[in-house]
Amino acid sequence: KAGVTQTPRYLIKTRGQQVTLSCSPISGHRSVSWYQQTPGQGLQFLFEYFSETQRNKGNFPGRFSGRQFSNSRSEMNVSTLELGDSALYLCASSLIIGHPTYNEQFFGPGTRLTVL
Amino acid sequence: QKEVEQNSGPLSVPEGAIASLNCTYSDRGSQSFFWYRQYSGKSPELIMFIYSNGDKEDGRFTAQLNKASQYVSLLIRDSQPSDSATYLCAVNRKDETSGSRLTFGEGTQLTVNP
Repeated sequence: KAGVTQTPRYLIKTRGQQVTLSCSPISGHRSVSWYQQTPGQGLQFLFEYFSETQRNKGNFPGRFSGRQFSNSRSEMNVSTLELGDSALYLCASSLIIGHPTYNEQFFGPGTRLTVL
Repeated sequence: QKEVEQNSGPLSVPEGAIASLNCTYSDRGSQSFFWYRQYSGKSPELIMFIYSNGDKEDGRFTAQLNKASQYVSLLIRDSQPSDSATYLCAVNRKDETSGSRLTFGEGTQLTVNP
């Protein structure tokens, strides 16, 4: 079974631009979560989507948004990019059996975003 | 106080030794605990999860959970150079809003010396 895939793998943008990242979960997985990883802040939760609905959101500004499609693929968008948005953006998928707390999350390879 | 804290690294052990990685968490509502391994330049890889107090063994890895002490650990027996990586502890709480929201520690960098 194929793992989580993310595109693009690398991206270079300039301040003020916007960017869209894509994530395809493991087949059959319905939950997609997004995380930002930086050397200073570590791994931080952005948001989670399940059945095309945002179920949970982290403490990030409104410039960060996302959506999920009916095939469970997800996209996240960052508008008005800032230098501090440079990070590794990771997508994780989860099968969701029973309560979501007890479901393992499997990460994709990530998208490395550099903002100049 | 950070929600999830891990023992400060880097941790260096000789090949064949036991590596002990520790994690404490502040939220008593935390119900599930995960250990991820992250090689440099790669994404986190799930290696263990534990929900109940006690030990859980999987090959050379043993996860230990003590909810009363809010403590979770990972033991790696017969450490190999290929185990050299950053180990991330992650927790999730069980409530109506948590969903699949993991809170991560900052990670402990482990180096296994041949």
